[in-house]
Amino acid sequence: GQQLNQSPQSMFIQEGEDVSMNCTSSSIFNTWLWYKQEPGEGPVLLIALYKAGELTSNGRLTAQFGITRKDSFLNISASIPSDVGIYFCAGPYGGATNKLIFGTGTLLAVQP
Amino acid sequence: DAMVIQNPRYQVTQFGKPVTLSCSQTLNHNVMYWYQQKSSQAPKLLFHYYDKDFNNEADTPDNFQSRRPNTSFCFLDIRSPGLGDAAMYLCATSRTTEGNQPQHFGDGTRLSIL
Repeated sequence: GQQLNQSPQSMFIQEGEDVSMNCTSSSIFNTWLWYKQEPGEGPVLLIALYKAGELTSNGRLTAQFGITRKDSFLNISASIPSDVGIYFCAGPYGGATNKLIFGTGTLLAVQP
Repeated sequence: DAMVIQNPRYQVTQFGKPVTLSCSQTLNHNVMYWYQQKSSQAPKLLFHYYDKDFNNEADTPDNFQSRRPNTSFCFLDIRSPGLGDAAMYLCATSRTTEGNQPQHFGDGTRLSIL
């Protein structure tokens, strides 16, 4: 079945550092979504990407839809303590449906 | 203001005792989804409703059922919870089932089984 692999699995950084994480798949996706989940809460949509090569920003966050359609990248600049959480990539599978498969997640910890 | 609301936030039930989790939305979206998220894992889709049409994932256990009495509400029923059903249950909505429609999640219900 389809799988979305994220790396790194976890990151422990100092406040102010930039962060990069990626998501790869063996299958092509037409949409890539990035969500953040904080402890005890549901995932919150950060960025949605709809076209190969697309680069989209949301404040300090920038995400890119890979040219091959099999990967996506998320960068966070000048990290702050409230960036802590698990970051999931996700994409719709199953043909013409919106059923999401989620990546394995990247845990981000930011030390003040 | 919360647009996808799940109640309760925490639910404790006994092994084998039926339990119902609820989700409501103020977005007037056509599609509602239920996901199961176990500790340190990604959310996994159980089923979804497109309007009144129910769509079950092939590997969702028969123990899990769902009801959608109207556009705003959707329920997850677990008929005979086992210890392995302890998890966070997430409800989400989207406007349609097209792949470019982002899903909006509630804050989840954490289910514990005694």
